[in-house]
Amino acid sequence: KAGVTQTPRYLIKTRGQQVTLSCSPISGHRSVSWYQQTPGQGLQFLFEYFSETQRNKGNFPGRFSGRQFSNSRSEMNVSTLELGDSALYLCASSLRAGGDSYEQYFGPGTRLTVT
Amino acid sequence: AQSVSQHNHHVILSEAASLELGCNYSYGGTVNLFWYVQYPGQHLQLLLKYFSGDPLVKGIKGFEAEFIKSKFSFNLRKPSVQWSDTAEYFCAVNARGLTGGGNKLTFGTGTQLKVEL
Repeated sequence: KAGVTQTPRYLIKTRGQQVTLSCSPISGHRSVSWYQQTPGQGLQFLFEYFSETQRNKGNFPGRFSGRQFSNSRSEMNVSTLELGDSALYLCASSLRAGGDSYEQYFGPGTRLTVT
Repeated sequence: AQSVSQHNHHVILSEAASLELGCNYSYGGTVNLFWYVQYPGQHLQLLLKYFSGDPLVKGIKGFEAEFIKSKFSFNLRKPSVQWSDTAEYFCAVNARGLTGGGNKLTFGTGTQLKVEL
């Protein structure tokens, strides 16, 4: 079974621009979560989508947004990029059904550099 | 708010030495607990997980972890490490009562393990 895939793998943007990152979960997985990984802050939760609805949200400004499509694929968008947004953005997928939680499987990440 | 502490930031061991990495969390309710590993140049991989039942859980590659509820701990152990275990190890917690059963993981800061030949 194919793992979580993320595109693009690397991205360089300029301050003030916006960016869209894409994630395709493992087949059959309906929950997609996004995390930001930086040397200073470590791994931080951004948001989770399940059945096209945002179910949990981390402590990030409104410039960070996401969505999920009917096929469970997800995108996250960062508008008005700042230097501090440079990070590895990780997507994780999980089965998740009802009130139960399942383990999450991570993709390779998108390395975003803001100049 | 939920927090996760990993006390050892860098650990250096010789091959065949025993390993124990500490992990403590702050949430007093029901939790799901995980250890993830990130090998150099690779993505995060699930090492082991605890949802309920036997507090001693076994994972891949000979790793195990023990959930001690009274100590809010989930320490990772391996009796004999190998050079190939060199990686960064992350403890993660899903505080079920705070996430509505969802998938919000709070991660520790990670422990960089180096195993020397």
